[in-house]
Amino acid sequence: GENVEQHPSTLSVQEGDSAVIKCTYSDSASNYFPWYKQELGKGPQLIIDIRSNVGEKKDQRIAVTLNKTAKHFSLHITETQPEDSAVYFCAASRISGFQKLVFGTGTRLLVSP
Amino acid sequence: EAGVAQSPRYKIIEKRQSVAFWCNPISGHATLYWYQQILGQGPKLLIQFQNNGVVDDSQLPKDRFSAERLKGVDSTLKIQPAKLEDSAVYLCASSSLGGQINEQYFGPGTRLTVT
Repeated sequence: GENVEQHPSTLSVQEGDSAVIKCTYSDSASNYFPWYKQELGKGPQLIIDIRSNVGEKKDQRIAVTLNKTAKHFSLHITETQPEDSAVYFCAASRISGFQKLVFGTGTRLLVSP
Repeated sequence: EAGVAQSPRYKIIEKRQSVAFWCNPISGHATLYWYQQILGQGPKLLIQFQNNGVVDDSQLPKDRFSAERLKGVDSTLKIQPAKLEDSAVYLCASSSLGGQINEQYFGPGTRLTVT
């Protein structure tokens, strides 16, 4: 089955800096890669996703890149703000059939003012 | 639009006791998921329903865990008997259609502590 690895486990940056979180996956058939943000005491919330027919996707200060050959994808957050502090999870699944997300282990991002 | 509702938010039980969690998905969402999130890990899918039918329960420990979704709306997840390693947050999520890529909306979760 699919296995998703995520690094780093913790990331501390200063406000205004950029943050990068990286994930690798094992199943070459996976073709959908969402990123979730989880704040304390809340469930994960989708912030951006990418499909395998696209190499990069941007939404304001966040972007995701995908390298299918190397089987890794990354989340980039620019101009970080204190409210970006949370745990971020990557995930992978196949689009065909019923969607079954396999999550990474999470990255705790701390943005200091 | 109301989000996914879960109750209770917190539960503390002793090992070998039983416990049940309840989930009310977003209105009209056909697909419902139960995840287990152990501290410091990502959510792990336990079971997935399409309407009131099970489409994936391959990671559900069926000797102690059970789930049902009557009438294709609300769902309950039960653990009987509980073990110490069941301590986790149990997340419920729903999405509008199965078999396609649709955003999964998560509830706030139920934090279970087994002592």
